[in-house]
Order: sequence, then structure tokens, then C-alpha cells
Amino acid sequence: SAVISQKPSRDICQRGTSLTIQCQVDSQVTMMFWYRQQPGQSLTLIATANQGSEATYESGFVIDKFPISRPNLTFSTLTVSNMSPEDSSIYLCSVEAFPRRDTRGTGELFFGEGSRLTVL
Amino acid sequence: GDSVTQMEGPVTLSEEAFLTINCTYTATGYPSLFWYVQYPGEGLQLLLKATKADDKGSNKGFEATYRKETTSFHLEKGSVQVSDSAVYFCALSDPFTGGGNKLTFGTGTQLKVEL
Repeated sequence: SAVISQKPSRDICQRGTSLTIQCQVDSQVTMMFWYRQQPGQSLTLIATANQGSEATYESGFVIDKFPISRPNLTFSTLTVSNMSPEDSSIYLCSVEAFPRRDTRGTGELFFGEGSRLTVL
Repeated sequence: GDSVTQMEGPVTLSEEAFLTINCTYTATGYPSLFWYVQYPGEGLQLLLKATKADDKGSNKGFEATYRKETTSFHLEKGSVQVSDSAVYFCALSDPFTGGGNKLTFGTGTQLKVEL
């Protein structure tokens, strides 16, 4: 399993500012994911972050708006840049881990508690 | 594209009542299906999953059967407890659109169980 800590858990931000969300995992993982959950909507994948390579962004998300860092196998950051009220969401970090240490196939996704951002 | 539709909440039940949360999906390929649960103040946790048609996932008294003919994966529990109060998310992973851990989620259904 994997235990994920996200910071901040919530924040209120001013329009035009940027905020960086941190994600710390208690074990080394290859793949980390960033999701967004806008009010009343489902979770949407923003990007996949693998250590040592640039993040891969999903349609509708760009690096200039959501730069991601992945400096090592236990840590990642997501920055929400030049925020507007439309960016008010819960941002979740997720990692793939293999509960039985069998790395074949697809592992299980573990999620952080999320970071609730409100942009005024 | 892929999509997941689940019943809107909140769903409010009395303890020991029967629970059904409906989930239907559309997918290009033959997806794997999941139910995640988010308890208050915690992250999403995998509750159960099914990877092919007619598979039944089960955990903690919850069950869901992969119904290809109706493209559904309804979550059921025979007798809910107050501790089951949480938000439940249905999700799929479609090998034709990335598969693996690239999940498409429903909007979530909040369950409230009262004494």
C-alpha cells in the first residue's frame, strides 16, 4: 500500500496568484497522477508524472497552467498558475502501488486526501 | 469518449437498510470497473473491482457485478451501517484509451446512514 500526504489541505487564494501543492508518498513509486475535482463534477486526470521525465498532460490541460515537478520517487508538486475562480477545485495526488509486491500488470491506485482550493 | 454515470446523491438510509447505488458506463473497449470510497477527511480508497464481464467484485459486505449487456456496475450492500457513510465513486479503465491507471470517474454519490 501507499500513504500519501498532501499540502496544503485547503487554501483560499486571490485571483492571478499561483499556488503549489505538494504530494509526499511513504514509499518509492514510479507513476504519480494529479486529478482535479471541480464542484459537483467527477475527478478528471490532469497529468501523469514519472520521475526523470516530463509530465504527460491530458487534453485540456497545459504545462504553463499546471506545471508539475517530480524530483524523486516519493515526491511531486503541482502548481496552479495565474488562478481564476474557475480553478476552484479539489486537487488530488494519486500513485500506483502494488499491494503484494507483484509488479506485473496494473497496480492499485492510492489517493491523497486532496487539496481544496478556493479562488476569490 | 468514455464516461461513467452514477445516481445523484445524497442517498439517506436507515441503518440495516439495503443499499443500491447505480452506475452505468460507456467505453470504447472492454474496461475494468471500480468502486472507490471516500470517508470523511480521508483520501479515495479502492473498495472493489471487476475486470471482465460477469465478474463480481466484493469487499466489506459490498458487491458489484460487471454486466456487459446492460453496461452497468451497480454497488449493493445488504445491510448498511453508520460507518458506511461516505462518498462512493464508480470508475473505469479502458485499454483502448490508455488503460492501466488512467481512470474515468463518475461524479460520486454521497451516502448518509442514520441510526
